[in-house]
Amino acid sequence: AQRVTQPEKLLSVFKGAPVELKCNYSYSGSPELFWYVQYSRQRLQLLLRHISRESIKGFTADLNKGETSFHLKKPFAQEEDSAMYYCALSEGSSNTGKLIFGQGTTLQVKP
Amino acid sequence: GAGVSQSPRYKVAKRGQDVALRCDPISGHVSLFWYQQALGQGPEFLTYFQNEAQLDKSGLPSDRFFAERPEGSVSTLKIQRTQQEDSAVYLCASSHWGGDYEQYFGPGTRLTVT
Repeated sequence: AQRVTQPEKLLSVFKGAPVELKCNYSYSGSPELFWYVQYSRQRLQLLLRHISRESIKGFTADLNKGETSFHLKKPFAQEEDSAMYYCALSEGSSNTGKLIFGQGTTLQVKP
Repeated sequence: GAGVSQSPRYKVAKRGQDVALRCDPISGHVSLFWYQQALGQGPEFLTYFQNEAQLDKSGLPSDRFFAERPEGSVSTLKIQRTQQEDSAVYLCASSHWGGDYEQYFGPGTRLTVT
């Protein structure tokens, strides 16, 4: 069965420190991987997706099929990065697009 | 432009009551999804519509849950005989067709069953 695992419920770092939010998945086919973010009092929104290979707000994520991981990284955390981050998987472009989410990691960036 | 809207934003129901949650997707979006998010958990898929057709309802937890989208736009998620375990935030999302497109989420409806 498809599954997304985010092992850390809370990650706390100081401003300017590097950040890595971990995400591992289990899926037998070729999934599409996403990171969604929810800032305080805002709705869930897409941060980035692996097929676009973009850097959004300084964040990047590389799909590692060998390790079935899609970790989110940023070299220098900012206070405004504090939010809840969800890793999500969908079954690829031929499907409906339903998402399977991890449990989420709260990122807290301290001044 | 207007995003996805949901109403009511908060709903308190007594155990055994029926509730109806509404979702207004972004105009022109073919795909509509419902997710359930329990406290401290990630969203979990409930059901999917492509226009008015409900193509996947594999995530609905019981036959007390029913969703419809009769004209391919507004959708309603109905929960009959609510139970305490139904307490959660119910999220609606819409997108252009298929897995290639970003899903836009509504603010959610927080349901509390007492």
